Amino acid sequence: ETGVTQSPTHLIKTRGQQVTLRCSSQSGHNTVSWYQQALGQGPQFIFQYYREEENGRGNFPPRFSGLQFPNYSSELNVNALELDDSALYLCASSLELRTDTQYFGPGTRLTVL
Amino acid sequence: DAKTTQPPSMDCAEGRAANLPCNHSTISGNEYVYWYRQIHSQGPQYIIHGLKNNETNEMASLIITEDRKSSTLILPHATLRDTAVYYCIVRVARTGANSKLTFGKGITLSVRP
Repeated sequence: ETGVTQSPTHLIKTRGQQVTLRCSSQSGHNTVSWYQQALGQGPQFIFQYYREEENGRGNFPPRFSGLQFPNYSSELNVNALELDDSALYLCASSLELRTDTQYFGPGTRLTVL
Repeated sequence: DAKTTQPPSMDCAEGRAANLPCNHSTISGNEYVYWYRQIHSQGPQYIIHGLKNNETNEMASLIITEDRKSSTLILPHATLRDTAVYYCIVRVARTGANSKLTFGKGITLSVRP
C-alpha cells in the first residue's frame, strides 16, 4: 500500500463524453504526476502538478487537463473522449519533485466505447 | 533522458537469483539509472536507483558497469511475487524541473515454481 488512492477504479464512457478522474496523494506529498498506460505499453507521462501549478506536460492534446487542490489532491479531466483514450490512468505522488520516491496509485481503468 | 533497451522477457526459478539486464549506451554523466516494477493490475513501484556505484537495498541490488553503458538489477532470491514487468529508466536527477519518468516497455520477469 502506497497511501495513494484513485477513484473510480473502473469507468465506462462513450465517445465524445467527458470524464474526471481523482487522485489523493500520500500525506505531505506536494507533487502529483499523471500517466496513461495503454494495454501492453509502459506508462506515458501526461503532466505533473507541483504546489498547485502545472510543472511539465507530455505529448497530450489540450483536451487532457488537470488541477491540483490546496490539499495536494488532484484531478485529471479528459474532454471529447476518443476510443484511443481507453487505458489505465495512473497518478503518482512525491515530495518536492523527487523521482526515486514516486508512489503510484492503483490506477483507474477507463474504457471508451 | 537517455534511451534504454531491455529484452522483452525472461524467466527464472523460484529461490534463484534473477538478473535483469538493461542497456543505456547513450547515458550522460549526470544521469541516474532507476528501476521500477509493475505487478499485474497495480501501479509501478520504485525499486532502486544509482549513478555509478553499485547499490543495494532490501529489495534488490543494482550493478552498473564501469563505463555506465549497461546495468543489471539483481533479485537475489526470486519469489513468485516477483513476477512483474520491470522498467529500467535513465534520467537526470535535478531540482526545479519536473520529475517525469519515461517508461519503455520493460522486461517481463516470470518466476516459475
